[in-house]
Amino acid sequence: GAVVSQHPSWVICKSGTSVKIECRSLDFQATTMFWYRQFPKQSLMLMATSNEGSKATYEQGVEKDKFLINHASLTLSTLTVTSAHPEDSSFYICSARDRLAGDSDTQYFGPGTRLTVL
Amino acid sequence: GQNIDQPTEMTATEGAIVQINCTYQTSGFNGLFWYQQHAGEAPTFLSYNVLDGLEEKGRFSSFLSRSKGYSYLLLKELQMKDSASYLCAVMDSNYQLIWGAGTKLIIKP
Repeated sequence: GAVVSQHPSWVICKSGTSVKIECRSLDFQATTMFWYRQFPKQSLMLMATSNEGSKATYEQGVEKDKFLINHASLTLSTLTVTSAHPEDSSFYICSARDRLAGDSDTQYFGPGTRLTVL
Repeated sequence: GQNIDQPTEMTATEGAIVQINCTYQTSGFNGLFWYQQHAGEAPTFLSYNVLDGLEEKGRFSSFLSRSKGYSYLLLKELQMKDSASYLCAVMDSNYQLIWGAGTKLIIKP
């Protein structure tokens, strides 16, 4: 089946620093990737939708200058949390749509990246 | 390796009851999530089980047996709006989420 990986799995950083999270589709091409934030035992909050080769579409309330998304290829999207603060500590999850799949709505989810900002 | 199995697709009738099973093999266990996802939308949290037993929340219930690596989501009094994909996800010992492929539930009148 389709596999999505994220790197790193865990990251701890100091307040004010920037952190980059990678999301890769390992065995398929993903035209569209999604970035979510999960609060403890709660729903996934969609942050942005990333289309290969174009600017990401951010959900209302998500600061585009703080959460920089780059989708430079069909297998890689990155989320950079700039000037991270403790309130940015969370579990970030990406998902990807298989460009060639018949069911174009199916999303394949990554394992998540746990960010802790000290 | 780690894996989660759930049926690809299920069909049920409006007003009936349906049970969606999820079996898992993971490195450690820190809880199991069920999400509902309508086409084109973000997943919606349904339940979180970390202890054995049944958790009931309105028309939806979720059951967990850690010794058997098994969970199910029970939907009662099915409504047409329950047509969606249902995702099972387990958090492993490294607090990484292992996702099932999702079960597409089709409700017929």
